[in-house]
Amino acid sequence: GAGVSQSPSNKVTEKGKDVELRCDPISGHTALYWYRQSLGQGLEFLIYFQGNSAPDKSGLPSDRFSAERTGGSVSTLTIQRTQQEDSAVYLCASSLRQDPGNTIYFGEGSWLTVV
Amino acid sequence: DAKTTQPPSMDCAEGRAANLPCNHSTISGNEYVYWYRQIHSQGPQYIIHGLKNNETNEMASLIITEDRKSSTLILPHATLRDTAVYYCIAPPPGGSYIPTFGRGTSLIVHP
Repeated sequence: GAGVSQSPSNKVTEKGKDVELRCDPISGHTALYWYRQSLGQGLEFLIYFQGNSAPDKSGLPSDRFSAERTGGSVSTLTIQRTQQEDSAVYLCASSLRQDPGNTIYFGEGSWLTVV
Repeated sequence: DAKTTQPPSMDCAEGRAANLPCNHSTISGNEYVYWYRQIHSQGPQYIIHGLKNNETNEMASLIITEDRKSSTLILPHATLRDTAVYYCIAPPPGGSYIPTFGRGTSLIVHP
């Protein structure tokens, strides 16, 4: 597609359940980022993938959070045993690393509500 | 990447120019200045970027001072739909980089 695609756009889940969020980056983009944004807050970095390098997981808030990127394209963010504080919009972005300054392009986000 | 400083909020009348400032006094010679905005409930959107020269596109103009220590994003004829949080960042070129978005400037365009 033309832009970064995320699914689902909205997800309501019960506390304790696992959720998977999907990101399909712009074709050819080697860098992929996950952020989350709680209501009224700024963007919080979660994890970064760059080509075949080991991902930078320094932003993951707990071991309940994990992400993978298969074939250097689609990425899945998994949250295990969800808690109410996990409620947020989860934003995926991608960039073409060779682009001077690294313009990044965001998807519309996956809104997660944990009840 | 260079630290950027922006006012927390601004307002502008519809149809008037909105001038959003950003200070980046520690910017290095090869760091671009990037602007993004986030309209409520949407993902951030790229607006414009520049290195030394002023830049203009269909969305906005970017004025960078000669010493590159500050810049101004100009929305020449602000509309209500321009109400958003505007982020100024100065990422290092190439390499592994994780963009950090501060609090930005919350711009409110009023009728």
